[in-house]
Amino acid sequence: GAGVSQTPSNKVTEKGKYVELRCDPISGHTALYWYRQSLGQGPEFLIYFQGTGAADDSGLPNDRFFAVRPEGSVSTLKIQRTERGDSAVYLCASSLGTGNGYTFGSGTRLTVV
Amino acid sequence: GESVGLHLPTLSVQEGDNSIINCAYSNSASDYFIWYKQESGKGPQFIIDIRSNMDKRQGQRVTVLLNKTVKHLSLQIAATQPGDSAVYFCAENLGSGTYKYIFGTGTRLKVLA
Repeated sequence: GAGVSQTPSNKVTEKGKYVELRCDPISGHTALYWYRQSLGQGPEFLIYFQGTGAADDSGLPNDRFFAVRPEGSVSTLKIQRTERGDSAVYLCASSLGTGNGYTFGSGTRLTVV
Repeated sequence: GESVGLHLPTLSVQEGDNSIINCAYSNSASDYFIWYKQESGKGPQFIIDIRSNMDKRQGQRVTVLLNKTVKHLSLQIAATQPGDSAVYFCAENLGSGTYKYIFGTGTRLKVLA
């Protein structure tokens, strides 16, 4: 597609539930990134994929968070047993290579009630 | 849409005036920097970048200045327009080819008519 697409744009879930957030990167972009943005803060790195593999998942806050990219294109960020502190905007970005800026999607706003 | 940066520092400027947004970065090894613009409900959008072997770079109506001695970046916007109203983030890349960016906390720019 023309840009990075994230769905859903908004997600409200109850504490303890499981959620999946989807990212469709720009066609041909091999690198894909997930960031999390809390209100009033800049985005914080979560995980980076090069192709199908997670090259760096050091930003994932704990083992409730997991992400996959099985075919090297679409990625899904999965959060188990959601907590109110998980409420944030989850941003996905993609790029052709590394070392230059990347293109962000509009994000998924997750609210845990 | 969602509000980004409710508690961010705010810069208010008159339409037509020049704006200067400042950012202190954290790592002396960072060698590539980007300014992003983020409008409410959208992901960060690339504005301009600069590498550490430069101290100034100009784009269309925007100029980025880099002072490595004091680890400081600034973004200058000439003839500020209402469409420039947004939150602006600086992001640093920790080394050549590094995929991870560290974002600053952001500054909200309000353009007064």
